[in-house]
Amino acid sequence: QKEVEQNSGPLSVPEGAIASLNCTYSDRVSQSFFWYRQYSGKSPELIMSIYSNGDKEDGRFTAQLNKASQYVSLLIRDSQPSDSATYLCAVTENRGSQGNLIFGKGTKLSVKP
Amino acid sequence: DGGITQSPKYLFRKEGQNVTLSCEQNLNHDAMYWYRQDPGQGLRLIYYSQIVNDFQKGDIAEGYSVSREKKESFPLTVTSAQKNPTAFYLCARLKGQGEWAFFGQGTRLTVV
Repeated sequence: QKEVEQNSGPLSVPEGAIASLNCTYSDRVSQSFFWYRQYSGKSPELIMSIYSNGDKEDGRFTAQLNKASQYVSLLIRDSQPSDSATYLCAVTENRGSQGNLIFGKGTKLSVKP
Repeated sequence: DGGITQSPKYLFRKEGQNVTLSCEQNLNHDAMYWYRQDPGQGLRLIYYSQIVNDFQKGDIAEGYSVSREKKESFPLTVTSAQKNPTAFYLCARLKGQGEWAFFGQGTRLTVV
């Protein structure tokens, strides 16, 4: 059974700090990695995608991927109260040619003013 | 709405009833997926479809059924065989294999 593991949190950081969210995955052949943000009662929305080892930056967000360690992380700089949400890590499962997404259970982030 | 629409937003089902959740997309994408989310849990795959008239079971397909008669529509039926149907149901479209998923607004189903 392919798995994606995340700390459930809650992770609490003060406003303006860096929030660091981590994710590990079990499928060594996974090729695509995604971070979604989900506000309470809403559907998930994509915030970052990463496909190769290293860092990818988009505004205040940086995704980091290390395929050798099967580890992907998300850094949120200058955290804002509006960043308070659950962050879901998703990894493609190479089920034949289907490439389905497997989701972690999410990490709840709370940014305190 | 990102080209994908789910309805209704809230749905109540009596014990022993079948209910159908609607999912429509207007971006001509082939791949459509149904997920279930329970409180404090991640998303679990119910069914997915890559092309019209073809669909595959996900990890938790028991008690659910789907159809894909048209490219733009992928309805999910929660049957009476599903013993614990209360959950948040999410439909998603994917542009292609290995691509990211774009979700509809979700349907919150409650058994009364």
